[in-house]
Amino acid sequence: NAGVTQTPKFQVLKTGQSMTLQCAQDMNHEYMSWYRQDPGMGLRLIHYSVGAGITDQGEVPNGYNVSRSTTEDFPLRLLSAAPSQTSVYFCASRGDRAGSYGYTFGSGTRLTVV
Amino acid sequence: GENVEQHPSTLSVQEGDSAVIKCTYSDSASNYFPWYKQELGKRPQLIIDIRSNVGEKKDQRIAVTLNKTAKHFSLHITETQPEDSAVYFCAATLYNTDKLIFGTGTRLQVFP
Repeated sequence: NAGVTQTPKFQVLKTGQSMTLQCAQDMNHEYMSWYRQDPGMGLRLIHYSVGAGITDQGEVPNGYNVSRSTTEDFPLRLLSAAPSQTSVYFCASRGDRAGSYGYTFGSGTRLTVV
Repeated sequence: GENVEQHPSTLSVQEGDSAVIKCTYSDSASNYFPWYKQELGKRPQLIIDIRSNVGEKKDQRIAVTLNKTAKHFSLHITETQPEDSAVYFCAATLYNTDKLIFGTGTRLQVFP
């Protein structure tokens, strides 16, 4: 199992550009989430999904869109990048069986918006 | 919505001493409380978790305690080692909503 795979690992965008951060998991997990991590602010929830076709907003959803057409994939779209979106983005997934409640995180995407 | 506060923001201990990190949460309906460890430049990794029907859980040198009445939970690390140095995050959620909210983290440094 590859676990949770995020691409790209690094990205530089110009203000106003759009892009999609990819996230895929091969563990047949129903639950997936996107977090951003900024210094001193911990991990903040952007969007999450409890299954294919079902998504909901987290703490900081503005400027981001998500969709969940398959169990495996949960892409995060930046519609019009702003410098305030410079951050490290983590995708995470978890199963629904006893003993597997904890999230498994991907390795992250470091995004810089100039 | 849920809000999680975590203290202290930094903690320095001597190797072999104990370390305690405390978190409080706001939503009394929350019933799942995990702890994550993040080493520099790495992804967060789950180290221990507790559900609201349990007051304490232990796994070797780490333990978590939960006080639902006071809405706080703590991470205890005994016999600390230099490899315990990392940032530790607590989190809370109402389990079936899956809206996991994190604290702001504690940077633990263990000096040899």
